[in-house]
Amino acid sequence: EVQLLESGGGLVQPGGSLRLSCAASRFTFRSYAMIWVRQAPGKGLECVSVIGASGGRTYYADSVKGRFTISRDDSKSTLYLQMNSLRAEDTAVYYCAKSIGGDVGYYDYWGQGTLVTVSS
Amino acid sequence: DIVVTQSPDSLAVSLGERATINCKSSQSVLNSSNNKNYLAWYQQKPGQPPKLLIYWASTRESGVPNRFSGSGSGTDFTLTISSLQAEDVAVYYCQQYYSTPHTFGQGTKLEIK
Repeated sequence: EVQLLESGGGLVQPGGSLRLSCAASRFTFRSYAMIWVRQAPGKGLECVSVIGASGGRTYYADSVKGRFTISRDDSKSTLYLQMNSLRAEDTAVYYCAKSIGGDVGYYDYWGQGTLVTVSS
Repeated sequence: DIVVTQSPDSLAVSLGERATINCKSSQSVLNSSNNKNYLAWYQQKPGQPPKLLIYWASTRESGVPNRFSGSGSGTDFTLTISSLQAEDVAVYYCQQYYSTPHTFGQGTKLEIK
């Protein structure tokens, strides 16, 4: 079965940086779009960033544009989210998920999430 | 951006009864070229990631019990649980994937009455 394993979360001070990773296995990673979704404590789901198959088009939520960068290394079957200039409002569980296609679509497999806490 | 709004925010239903959750998008998510509605439903239980239930507005994901069904077209959609079971207690989200950002509704918390 498809597996997605996020890592890289933790406690960081405001203004700091973190890089999240999502290690994928048991599917042809390069063929699928991927998404980062976050969930602030007690809140709903927010689409943070999307990347198409083979590093195709990318999308960022306005709330993270210019601060976050999504990327992928298809040779390692790994998705990344570089997060800079972190703010308290970025505190959330960050999930990676796999799309059903190469461009966009709904998301059929999700990781367990990694918690990012931005606090001094 | 397409705004997706769910109603109600919370819902309490007796075991064995029907539960209905509504989802409305600010613009149509129907692609006229393939006649598909780009709308999905997810279930999230505490401490777990979302789980895909329904896609293309009405297609049940493999392994999802047939008491879950989706309906609607254009801008108005419904998730129905025909006979509520205890394990269905969760927060339910709809999501449009017609255009980026792939916006989610705010969620509907489903509880047992």
